[in-house]
Amino acid sequence: GAVVSQHPSWVICKSGTSVKIECRSLDFQATTMFWYRQFPKQSLMLMATSNEGSKATYEQGVEKDKFLINHASLTLSTLTVTSAHPEDSSFYICSARDRVGGTSNQPQHFGDGTRLSIL
Amino acid sequence: AQSVTQLGSHVSVSEGALVLLRCNYSSSVPPYLFWYVQYPNQGLQLLLKYTSAATLVKGINGFEAEFKKSETSFHLTKPSAHMSDAAEYFCAVPQTPGGFKTIFGAGTRLFVKA
Repeated sequence: GAVVSQHPSWVICKSGTSVKIECRSLDFQATTMFWYRQFPKQSLMLMATSNEGSKATYEQGVEKDKFLINHASLTLSTLTVTSAHPEDSSFYICSARDRVGGTSNQPQHFGDGTRLSIL
Repeated sequence: AQSVTQLGSHVSVSEGALVLLRCNYSSSVPPYLFWYVQYPNQGLQLLLKYTSAATLVKGINGFEAEFKKSETSFHLTKPSAHMSDAAEYFCAVPQTPGGFKTIFGAGTRLFVKA
């Protein structure tokens, strides 16, 4: 089946540092990848849609200068949390959809998430 | 835009008992619908998908869901709960038919008692 690898799975860092999270589709090509944020005991909140070779589309209220997204290839998207602060601590999840027939009528394939803790 | 509502943020059942997790969708046309499961500290995994080919959809781990247009529902069931079923379950629907975004329900946490 389609596998999405997300790395790292856990990050603890000091306030003010930048953190990069990688999301890779291992056995399929993903024109579109999605980045979600999940607070404890809550549903997923879509942050941005990452499109290969173009700028990401951010949801309302998400700071694009804070959460930098790069989707340089059909198998890799990265999310960089710049100058992270404690309020950025959260569980971040990426997902991807196969480029073949890749509308929302097809299921998404999720990474295992990254637990980000800012001290 | 479409939406889904999951009734009950928490459901608790005994091991071996029937599992019923509720999901209602809001749409004027039969949508695609999904159920995902999330285990602690993991991403989401697809349980099953409704595509209008059949109203009763069978998924992984013994789960199934029935699409009922008259009730705009897509409830998830499993005849006999297992301890390993304890997780968070999300119902989801495309935001717009053929679009790219998916709308997730608020989630239902399933507890299984020994």
